[in-house]
Amino acid sequence: DAKTTQPTSMDCAEGRAANLPCNHSTISGNEYVYWYRQIHSQGPQYIIHGLKNNETNEMASLIITEDRKSSTLILPHATLRDTAVYYCIVRPLNNNDMRFGAGTRLTVKP
Amino acid sequence: ETGVTQSPTHLIKTRGQQVTLRCSSQSGHNTVSWYQQALGQGPQFIFQYYREEENGRGNFPPRFSGLQFPNYSSELNVNALELDDSALYLCASSPPQGLRNEQFFGPGTRLTVL
Repeated sequence: DAKTTQPTSMDCAEGRAANLPCNHSTISGNEYVYWYRQIHSQGPQYIIHGLKNNETNEMASLIITEDRKSSTLILPHATLRDTAVYYCIVRPLNNNDMRFGAGTRLTVKP
Repeated sequence: ETGVTQSPTHLIKTRGQQVTLRCSSQSGHNTVSWYQQALGQGPQFIFQYYREEENGRGNFPPRFSGLQFPNYSSELNVNALELDDSALYLCASSPPQGLRNEQFFGPGTRLTVL
């Protein structure tokens, strides 16, 4: 079973920041938070991951709360191509068994 | 660099039949994982292969089996197909000792069981 809880769907205006929340209240000390997204008819794509510090890369930023029980993925300037299902996953770094939940369906609107 | 490829793209089978799905991992990747994604749901982990051995399995019955070959490509075999096996089957490969432990997914094979 997935160890995360995400809203079923969200809308965002094109050009605005999209903030996708994730609750992972039972996260263990050795588990990382990973984010993947799946655009329609494609396989999931890695976005970002982190342990306890905030992370940023060319795609997004990841904000993890101090108690690590929740996190937020931020797409700073959403485009129509960011419309996808976004999955938040927690797992140890050396474990390839990823437990996906239902994810959040983000729709970016013009 | 060639990404993860899967074949066939689509497949239609009838209940009780057997099916083999194939996956070519990304160059240099030695770990392959398989997932089943039912319509409207997230991918569910089936199993993983590392160095030609099964290295972890999800909650799937033994009629789901796999192989990994010396070139790290992989097969997923499903026997005695059931209607509920209709899904998108995803293959993902991972590089050895990757710093991000990132999985690279293929486009999937859509299996329909009638």
